[in-house]
Amino acid sequence: KNQVEQSPQSLIILEGKNCTLQCNYTVSPFSNLRWYKQDTGRGPVSLTIMTFSENTKSNGRYTATLDADTKQSSLHITASQLSDSASYICVVSGGQAGTALIFGKGTTLSVSS
Amino acid sequence: DVKVTQSSRYLVKRTGEKVFLECVQDMDHENMFWYRQDPGLGLRLIYFSYDVKMKEKGDIPEGYSVSREKKERFSLILESASTNQTSMYLCASSRPSTGELFFGEGSRLTVL
Repeated sequence: KNQVEQSPQSLIILEGKNCTLQCNYTVSPFSNLRWYKQDTGRGPVSLTIMTFSENTKSNGRYTATLDADTKQSSLHITASQLSDSASYICVVSGGQAGTALIFGKGTTLSVSS
Repeated sequence: DVKVTQSSRYLVKRTGEKVFLECVQDMDHENMFWYRQDPGLGLRLIYFSYDVKMKEKGDIPEGYSVSREKKERFSLILESASTNQTSMYLCASSRPSTGELFFGEGSRLTVL
């Protein structure tokens, strides 16, 4: 069964600290993986996309990694800011038709001062 | 700036009422989607559409219908609202070539 599991479910960190969010998937065949950021009361916005051949991709203070062999991805946030407080959702594209979108349940990050 | 616009941010309806949620995108995207988002369950796909007048059931279509008469507009209809349809509803659009979803701001529906 195609599944996407995210951990931790929630996380609280101090402003300025780094953190890493995890995404494990069992989607096959794999097409790509996206990380979305969802601010409270808003719609999700794409942060980055990872394809099979990519190991690392950065978007400012956000760095995503992908290990296609172990089917794991991580999102690392450097020098966190209060505005990083949000839910982060991992979405894997693939499946038999190649177009199915399988969503993780998200990690809720709270950055406190 | 690209945009997906949902007609209502907050709605309160009574059980049994018919509810329309409207979504318009200005990016000329072929694909449009309706999701609902509930705490602990994440986003779940209700219906999607790959073309005008075309619709496909998602994972949880029961109690919902959709309409896509124009490319830019995708409507979600609750024929007879029930309390278990209280949720955040998110509309999204995408181009088949990229797959990146562009979401609206969401419509928070409360059914009393």
